Amino acid sequence: AQSVTQLGSHVSVSEGALVLLRCNYSSSVPPYLFWYVQYPNQGLQLLLKYTTGATLVKGINGFEAEFKKSETSFHLTKPSAHMSDAAEYFCAVSDQNFGNEKLTFGTGTRLTIIP
Amino acid sequence: DTAVSQTPKYLVTQMGNDKSIKCEQNLGHDTMYWYKQDSKKFLKIMFSYNNKELIINETVPNRFSPKSPDKAHLNLHINSLELGDSAVYFCASSDLDTQYFGPGTRLTVL
Repeated sequence: AQSVTQLGSHVSVSEGALVLLRCNYSSSVPPYLFWYVQYPNQGLQLLLKYTTGATLVKGINGFEAEFKKSETSFHLTKPSAHMSDAAEYFCAVSDQNFGNEKLTFGTGTRLTIIP
Repeated sequence: DTAVSQTPKYLVTQMGNDKSIKCEQNLGHDTMYWYKQDSKKFLKIMFSYNNKELIINETVPNRFSPKSPDKAHLNLHINSLELGDSAVYFCASSDLDTQYFGPGTRLTVL
């Protein structure tokens, strides 16, 4: 069975500061990993994903994440926070059953940006 | 030019009623899903369909019945609504490795 742990349900950073949102996963097969963002009263938007290949993946809005197999982690970072980054962020792992993937989500991290 | 759309966006109803939520995707994907997001924002899969066939049914009460008239549509019908059904329901569709979500339907049961 797969699982995802997001450390820190709430993270606050100052505008312009580094954003670091933590995600650790558990999977019995090589994982596919995703970060989604949810703005207030909106759906989930894909930020970035890791499937195979390069372990450092870049996404939209300046975010990136690094897959570290030895640490079973997929932390999300952004060098400089912007007010528009305030949202809920979800890490998810997929079971790679092509065409029938089941995404298992973490409990989310609410990111607040301090002006 | 919405990729995954859901109707309605908001649904307020009384306990015991029956309601449906519709989902359509124009991405040409074969697989579609329903997820439930509870009041604590936790997201959990309910169902998935591949080319109109039920693939995943995650121990959801029988009151929930998905229907897929064609591979671009996956509707969710809920009978005898209960207070605990209040949540945001998300539809999604997927290509080979990525799921794309609709805007959600906020269901409130009074």
